[in-house]
Parts: sequence; C-alpha cells; structure tokens
Amino acid sequence: NAGVTQTPKFQVLKTGQSMTLQCAQDMNHNSMYWYRQDPGMGLRLIYYSASEGTTDKGEVPNGYNVSRLNKREFSLRLESAAPSQTSVYFCASIRARNEQFFGPGTRLTVL
Amino acid sequence: AQSVSQHNHHVILSEAASLELGCNYSYGGTVNLFWYVQYPGQHLQLLLKYFSGDPLVKGIKGFEAEFIKSKFSFNLRKPSVQWSDTAEYFCAVITNRDDKIIFGKGTRLHILP
Repeated sequence: NAGVTQTPKFQVLKTGQSMTLQCAQDMNHNSMYWYRQDPGMGLRLIYYSASEGTTDKGEVPNGYNVSRLNKREFSLRLESAAPSQTSVYFCASIRARNEQFFGPGTRLTVL
Repeated sequence: AQSVSQHNHHVILSEAASLELGCNYSYGGTVNLFWYVQYPGQHLQLLLKYFSGDPLVKGIKGFEAEFIKSKFSFNLRKPSVQWSDTAEYFCAVITNRDDKIIFGKGTRLHILP
C-alpha cells in the first residue's frame, strides 16, 4: 500500500516549457487535490476532483490544467511555465470529507 | 467564501513551555476540522481531527485541540513542548457543502533547546 505517490520529486524548467506532474493513489479514494505551497502562503488549492471524470477550480487555477484519468490518477499540467509557478506542489486524496493523505511533493523551479 | 485564519505566523518557545496555536474559520454550517504538522522537508501529516462529539480531541504526540462552536475556533494545545515539535502547523476545514479543504496559512513553531 504505497498511499499517494508523485512524480517527479524535483524539476527545473525554463520559462515557456511545459510539463505534467503525475499523482496516483491506491486507497480507492474518490476525491483528489493539487496544492501549491509557498513560504508564508500556506497551502493553496489549485484544482480538485470530487470523483472520476469531474474537476473543479480551486483558489489559484490560472496557468494550470488537470486531468482525472481514472479513480487512481490525477495529473497537473503546466502548459507554459512561468517563474511565478516556482513552488512545491502536493497532491492529496481523501475518501469522504475525512483526513487527507499527502504525496511527498514535487519541488519545481522555473528559470 | 470559507476561510481559515491562523493568528500566529511564527512562535518561538523554550522546551517545556506550554503551547496554544489559534485557529478560526468562517462558515456557518457543519464542518470537519483538522490540524496537520509539517516537519522540515516533509509533507503534511495529520495531528488530530474533529468531526462530532466531545469537543476536546486528543491527537498524536501529546497534542489536543478544543472545538468551540460559538467562537468558530479550533485551537491547538500542548502542555509541554519538546525540541522535536519544531515544525509548521496547519489548521484545515472541510464543510458539508463540498469536498474542498481549506487550509490556514500555517504557524511556524520553533522550540529552543
């Protein structure tokens, strides 16, 4: 039982490049989330998915897209990376308004 | 919109001191409440949670929190902190309206040995 896994752990991009952050959970959870964490800002919700096939915007969705590929996987895509997207990205999942389980995070630097 | 406020951004204490971190939320309906801890370089881990029942909940590592509905508060406490409690602490709320979990901005706790 791996919990929530994320890839990659680290990434450096140049401005304008694109990339996809992958997230998977093996706990059969319905809801999945993407957050970004910046110093002094806490965790800010980018997008979430309450179930397979549905996605909703969070607090800071601009510049990002998501795909809920199936119940297990929820990916986050940066189409044209900007320095303001330098951050640590966390994926999380929950079963039903309960405790969230977090992935280990992806540290992204955009030059 | 729902929000969570953590009033202390940075707290410095000596070992064995008592700790109380404030958390207030804005939502008039039913909520589930959480406190998470993030040790340096790690992801968030659950300390404790409140869904219903006894408003005083006990979590791991000697932490507890009290839900006061009339004050929309869920403050975290520990009677005697240790150096190993140095971390960042996040309060979070999920409402009965949707599955969005809203986090506070966090409190960075530094314990002096």
